[in-house]
Amino acid sequence: DIQLTQSPSTVSASVGDSVTITCRASESLSIWLAWYQQKPGKAPTLLIYKGSTLESGVPSRFSGSGAGTEFSLTITSLQPDDFATYYCQQYRRYVSFGPGTTVDMK
Amino acid sequence: QVQLRVSGPGLVKPSETLSLTCTVSGGSISPSYWSWMRQAPGKGLEWIGYVHYTGRTSYNPLFSGRITLSADTSTNQVSLNLSSVTAADTAVYMCARQGGSYRYFDLWGRGTLVTVSS
Repeated sequence: DIQLTQSPSTVSASVGDSVTITCRASESLSIWLAWYQQKPGKAPTLLIYKGSTLESGVPSRFSGSGAGTEFSLTITSLQPDDFATYYCQQYRRYVSFGPGTTVDMK
Repeated sequence: QVQLRVSGPGLVKPSETLSLTCTVSGGSISPSYWSWMRQAPGKGLEWIGYVHYTGRTSYNPLFSGRITLSADTSTNQVSLNLSSVTAADTAVYMCARQGGSYRYFDLWGRGTLVTVSS
C-alpha cells in the first residue's frame, strides 16, 4: 500500500503568516493527491484535488503544488479560521491519508 | 444543498457486526460513488471502501472479508456492515461523496462514534 508522511506534524503560526505543509509518498502518485482541513469534532472539508486544483468555494489563500512523490499545501496570510489539522490523501491506488499536520496559534 | 447523515448503534459488542446507514438528503445517491472512512479517537483517517449507486464496490484490503457496503436508490441510502468487530474498530465512522469517479471526497457527513465494548 502507498504510505504518506507529512511534515511538520505541528506548526505554530500567527495570523498573517504563510505556512507550508509537505506531503511525501512512498511511490509516485502522479497528480492524484488531495488536501483536507479538519476542525475538532467536525468532518474534513476538501481544499485541493488533483495536486493543485482549488475546490470551489475554498479561499484563494490556499494553494497546492507538486507531483510524483512530493506535494505541498501553502496557506498565505493565515486567517483565524485556518487553525486546524490538515491531511493529505492519495488516490493513485486505493486511498490512504497522511497522519496530519496541526496548525496552531503561536 | 446535499447533506449526509450517518446513523446506527453507538455501542457494539465484540465479535458482533457493526451496521451503519448514511442517508443522503437534498440530492440523489445516483450517479455518485460513496465512501466510508473512520477515525479512531485522537487518530488519523482510514478509508474503508466505496460503493457506487449501482452497487459496485471496492474495499480497502485491510478490511476484506469483514466489510460489506451497499446502496439503495429507493431510500437514498448507503450502508456499511463490518463483521467480527474488536475494540480496535472503535472510531467515528463517516460517509463521504467522491468527486465523480475519482477517489477524493468533496462532501462529508459529520459521522457517528461507534464504541466496541462488552
